[in-house]
Amino acid sequence: NAGVTQTPKFRVLKTGQSMTLLCAQDMNHEYMYWYRQDPGMGLRLIHYSVGEGTTAKGEVPDGYNVSRLKKQNFLLGLESAAPSQTSVYFCASSSVAGGYEQFFGPGTRLTVL
Amino acid sequence: AQKVTQAQTEISVVEKEDVTLDCVYETRDTTYYLFWYKQPPSGELVFLIRRNSFDEQNEISGRYSWNFQKSTSSFNFTITASQVVDSAVYFCALSEASTALIFGKGTTLSVSS
Repeated sequence: NAGVTQTPKFRVLKTGQSMTLLCAQDMNHEYMYWYRQDPGMGLRLIHYSVGEGTTAKGEVPDGYNVSRLKKQNFLLGLESAAPSQTSVYFCASSSVAGGYEQFFGPGTRLTVL
Repeated sequence: AQKVTQAQTEISVVEKEDVTLDCVYETRDTTYYLFWYKQPPSGELVFLIRRNSFDEQNEISGRYSWNFQKSTSSFNFTITASQVVDSAVYFCALSEASTALIFGKGTTLSVSS
């Protein structure tokens, strides 16, 4: 089992460019999440999904869109990247929400110039 | 509203010292879950422990122990006889019955030889 994988691992964008981060999990988990990690801020929830075809906003959703067309994949899109979106992005999945362990991907380091 | 506070931003110890990482949480729910994650310098997030609000038993796993006290809304983590490999950022997190994780800002532990 690969667990949770993220593509790409690193990316540099110019302001205004767009990109999509891909998260894939092979554990048949219903729930998937996107977090961002900034220095001194911990991890903050961007968007999450409770199942195929459903998404919901988290704590810091502005500037991002997501899609969950397949159960195993959760895509995070930046339509017009801004320097404030420079961060490390983590995807996670869990079988149930709430009190169950979330399994995290290795992270994507994004720099927006 | 949910909140997790890790008041210690950075801690430095010498090998073999014991160290306690503090975590204080806020929630209005009676059912909730507490977690600790470790983030070593390589960047991945490693799950350490999960505790539900109905289980106040302390837990010990090797050199690691956790003290959960509902009366003070705390879930502290102690490393006994610290080692250089324990150097990492440690995150405490909280979730309620059907929510994603709310993370504290993390405590950076540096263990020197």
